[in-house]
Amino acid sequence: DVKVTQSSRYLVKRTGEKVFLECVQDMDHENMFWYRQDPGLGLRLIYFSYDVKMKEKGDIPEGYSVSREKKERFSLILESASTNQTSMYLCASSPPTGARYFGPGTRLTVT
Amino acid sequence: GENVEQHPSTLSVQEGDSAVIKCTYSDSASNYFPWYKQELGKRPQLIIDIRSNVGEKKDQRIAVTLNKTAKHFSLHITETQPEDSAVYFCAASIGPNTDKLIFGTGTRLQVFP
Repeated sequence: DVKVTQSSRYLVKRTGEKVFLECVQDMDHENMFWYRQDPGLGLRLIYFSYDVKMKEKGDIPEGYSVSREKKERFSLILESASTNQTSMYLCASSPPTGARYFGPGTRLTVT
Repeated sequence: GENVEQHPSTLSVQEGDSAVIKCTYSDSASNYFPWYKQELGKRPQLIIDIRSNVGEKKDQRIAVTLNKTAKHFSLHITETQPEDSAVYFCAASIGPNTDKLIFGTGTRLQVFP
């Protein structure tokens, strides 16, 4: 059974802080993703990675960066958190078939 | 850019009735169409997917149909049960590559006993 875990379920940060969200998968998947989920907007892709040290921008990369130093770990970084980044963040991994296996999500509040 | 439209945004049905959720997509090269179910407070989970070389796929009470000409696909749930209550998301690949999916905005399904 695929397991995707995220470092925090809930996080509260102040404006301007640097924020790290971490994701780990245990199925040796090449592809990993970071999505943002907001009511009425569905799931929007921030960044994805198809291999270690490889990354590609998604639909809404502004204000975010990512790091993938090991195959099983994909980190999302908010360099300077802003209130409009308050959201639910979902990590996912995927085998070549394309199915996404999601983590439990991190609800980030920036005050 | 490419987009996926999903309707309706909310759907209420009586237990035992059928529910249908529809999505349209814009990229004629899309060839992978998954559906995800997200229960309250939980992560989205894949419930069924279809590829462009088939027109219909069924798994017990759920089925997905695809009309490539019209560029739309639908999720059908028969004999609905209260545990079907959730938010459902459709998605379509951008082009033939499944690396990128565009998700619909979701449908909140409520099944009343």
